[in-house]
Amino acid sequence: NAGVTQTPKFRVLKTGQSMTLLCAQDMNHEYMYWYRQDPGMGLRLIHYSVGEGTTAKGEVPDGYNVSRLKKQNFLLGLESAAPSQTSVYFCASIRRWGGYKETQYFGPGTRLLVL
Amino acid sequence: TQLLEQSPQFLSIQEGENLTVYCNSSSVFSSLQWYRQEPGEGPVLLVTVVTGGEVKKLKRLTFQFGDARKDSSLHITAAQPGDTGLYLCAGAHNAGNNRKLIWGLGTSLAVNP
Repeated sequence: NAGVTQTPKFRVLKTGQSMTLLCAQDMNHEYMYWYRQDPGMGLRLIHYSVGEGTTAKGEVPDGYNVSRLKKQNFLLGLESAAPSQTSVYFCASIRRWGGYKETQYFGPGTRLLVL
Repeated sequence: TQLLEQSPQFLSIQEGENLTVYCNSSSVFSSLQWYRQEPGEGPVLLVTVVTGGEVKKLKRLTFQFGDARKDSSLHITAAQPGDTGLYLCAGAHNAGNNRKLIWGLGTSLAVNP
């Protein structure tokens, strides 16, 4: 049981390059989230998914796209990277219980540097 | 972006000391969670509090939800180096089928041996 895994762990991009971050969970959760974490800004929700084939915009979606073709995978894409997207990206897989209660299981993060 | 205010922002103490960190907002939350994040890792859930005035204990950690469900505190007794990390609080607003989570910036705790 690996929980939540993220690949890659670290990446350096040049401005304008594209890349895809992969999040995988083996807990059969319907909900999955992508966050970015920046100093002084805290965790901010980029996009989220409430089930296979569904995605929705979070708080800071601009410059990112997502896909949830399989329940266990949630992909975050950067089509044309910008220095402002330098950040640590976390994926979370969500267990919902007791009505609206949630437990978020976070991956180890992807550290992205855009030059 | 609405944030929960966490204080202090940084805290460095000696092993064996007690400490309290705070999470405050002007908003009422349906529930509030505390997470701990170690360097290079993602946050890990410590506790969820739901009822105003609720107190939960997790070994040496005591969590309290304010009576009005706008604030929370985390008290650590006899801190140990293993308690070092970033403590994040997150408050939830539930409206119908929608749920919004508001994150604090965290309290960075260093416990020195």
